[in-house]
Amino acid sequence: ILNVEQSPQSLHVQEGDSTNFTCSFPSSNFYALHWYRWETAKSPEALFVMTLNGDEKKKGRISATLNTKEGYSYLYIKGSQPEDSATYLCAFRRLEIQGAQKLVFGQGTRLTINP
Amino acid sequence: GEEVAQTPKHLVRGEGQKAKLYCAPIKGHSYVFWYQQVLKNEFKFLISFQNENVFDETGMPKERFSAKCLPNSPCSLEIQATKLEDSAVYFCASSQYTSVAGKLRGTQYFGPGTRLTVL
Repeated sequence: ILNVEQSPQSLHVQEGDSTNFTCSFPSSNFYALHWYRWETAKSPEALFVMTLNGDEKKKGRISATLNTKEGYSYLYIKGSQPEDSATYLCAFRRLEIQGAQKLVFGQGTRLTINP
Repeated sequence: GEEVAQTPKHLVRGEGQKAKLYCAPIKGHSYVFWYQQVLKNEFKFLISFQNENVFDETGMPKERFSAKCLPNSPCSLEIQATKLEDSAVYFCASSQYTSVAGKLRGTQYFGPGTRLTVL
């Protein structure tokens, strides 16, 4: 059984503050780690795909880091805005014989930005 | 199209009835995935296709669930004799993985989901 854990489960942040949250995943047979931003009733939006230990990716005010040896990734949001309110999902791809394809998801971190 | 389309948005079925969900992947994407999200739990993988061929069906409850991706048609996920525990949001995703140095690179693009309610 693969366990992908995200913490915290929910987070309230004041507008303008910066925040970060964690995704932990198995450190063996690593293939890739995905981050998605998801608003209920909409399509999850792909943020990052990270494949190499030490990877750092950035998209506007959102960035992510990856440590495959210890099995964790951090997502950072700088200067939070109300439109950042969403659930942030991480998903792990494991190296498998037939090729790593399916995503194993964490339960998400629900972020609420207070104006 | 440029987005993954899923129909219907909502589906209500009485216990024991059949449910059929549809997914149109992004044009040019050869991989299709189905995931199930029960209540507010994590997305659970069901099945994946490479073109019309089943690639991985390790997540499918085979007794009542079936899925197809036929050429020139939307992909479908069908549940025979629905049960209360099948109530969930069913997400479809598509991808055009490219092989780089023997690894499949790319991401999965998700549709908005179909909410199935079994009464």
